[in-house]
Amino acid sequence: QQPVQSPQAVILREGEDAVINCSSSKALYSVHWYRQKHGEAPVFLMILLKGGEQKGHEKISASFNEKKQQSSLYLTASQLSYSGTYFCGTDDSGGSNYKLTFGKGTLLTVNP
Amino acid sequence: GAVVSQHPSWVICKSGTSVKIECRSLDFQATTMFWYRQFPKQSLMLMATSNEGSKATYEQGVEKDKFLINHASLTLSTLTVTSAHPEDSSFYICSAREIQGGSQYFGPGTRLLVL
Repeated sequence: QQPVQSPQAVILREGEDAVINCSSSKALYSVHWYRQKHGEAPVFLMILLKGGEQKGHEKISASFNEKKQQSSLYLTASQLSYSGTYFCGTDDSGGSNYKLTFGKGTLLTVNP
Repeated sequence: GAVVSQHPSWVICKSGTSVKIECRSLDFQATTMFWYRQFPKQSLMLMATSNEGSKATYEQGVEKDKFLINHASLTLSTLTVTSAHPEDSSFYICSAREIQGGSQYFGPGTRLLVL
């Protein structure tokens, strides 16, 4: 099942913060976050596996809620290099049936 | 982070020809690799899951005879687009999953243009 990402797009000025959400109707085995710049392939940011988990560093971090149905990506004090489309990929099968289904993406634009 | 390479990065071919794309995990072993297709401004659509030493598992609606996948070793998977047509033009991206930790990394992608 495709996860729902929100917002679809966000425009920031350098130094501002953003939160991108990813939610599923089913409990998930894992959530993976990626950033894709125009014309390039997605770049892995982080994976979350456990309910209640928070991961990352001060600038880019993510959380996974206790029910394992919702994850958020936090971008703090944004830089121009943060611009791109952010995708969450979710696995709701696990084990030998593992596969990631991706949300529609969130287009983040950071302006000077 | 782990590195996945993909070749070629660009292919332009005539309608009816076949195109082979290679995907390699350079610094880790991947028992499972994935092939995605992405149209402009859209999300990533999984085409098939490739398992080392066994047949690939194709997603619904993906023709297995048109998109041939071979996973010859723990570091190499290939996708062959047979008898390509203009509607096959797209951005094809492979991905490999680490055995430990489960993180999944993407190759740089191959842009296919069929004339």
